Amino acid sequence: LAKTTQPISMDSYEGQEVNITCSHNNIATNDYITWYQQFPSQGPRFIIQGYKTKVTNEVASLFIPADRKSSTLSLPRVSLSDTAVYYCLVDPYSSASKIIFGSGTRLSIRP
Amino acid sequence: DSGVTQTPKHLITATGQRVTLRCSPRSGDLSVYWYQQSLDQGLQFLIQYYNGEERAKGNILERFSAQQFPDLHSELNLSSLELGDSALYFCASSDPSLAGGTGELFFGEGSRLTVL
Repeated sequence: LAKTTQPISMDSYEGQEVNITCSHNNIATNDYITWYQQFPSQGPRFIIQGYKTKVTNEVASLFIPADRKSSTLSLPRVSLSDTAVYYCLVDPYSSASKIIFGSGTRLSIRP
Repeated sequence: DSGVTQTPKHLITATGQRVTLRCSPRSGDLSVYWYQQSLDQGLQFLIQYYNGEERAKGNILERFSAQQFPDLHSELNLSSLELGDSALYFCASSDPSLAGGTGELFFGEGSRLTVL
């Protein structure tokens, strides 16, 4: 099972772009990279998933280099409501039971 | 709203007791997953059911059991409760037929269990 490493916490300010990097050195060929967001006392919420290069949706972008040993979640123009814990997961194909939620990155956004 | 419903939202009970947590997955999702989140442990995978059958087991204690019924709702039974079982218990559902890894996990709001 591929383990992920991400910063324990990050601080930023409203309107800034925030980049959270995750390393997953043991990622396997069939693994996807997925990011979830969790607010206090709520269930995690899917943000974005990718396999390689760049994926963008309405809330974030995910950058994955060619070796896939790391990935970067980019949140453009953050607001106070983006204060949450962000989890980087390595997602084995068709086996959500092998997904490991690590400690996540606690992102704090200040005015 | 994820479409996953969990009841009860809060539960306070005493050590040694037994409780049942209930989860209704999103309409059409065949897979249900149970997770435990305590302050010092993060999110721990407990068990997965797919269309009524147990599909995978994680760090689930023998005192805990689960099942998925024909209407696809699931129950997590916790017995002989200990203080350390106090946690948030999340249910998630997914449709593994979606392309792209396991697809998106949709989590409920959780059931907060307090054991006194």
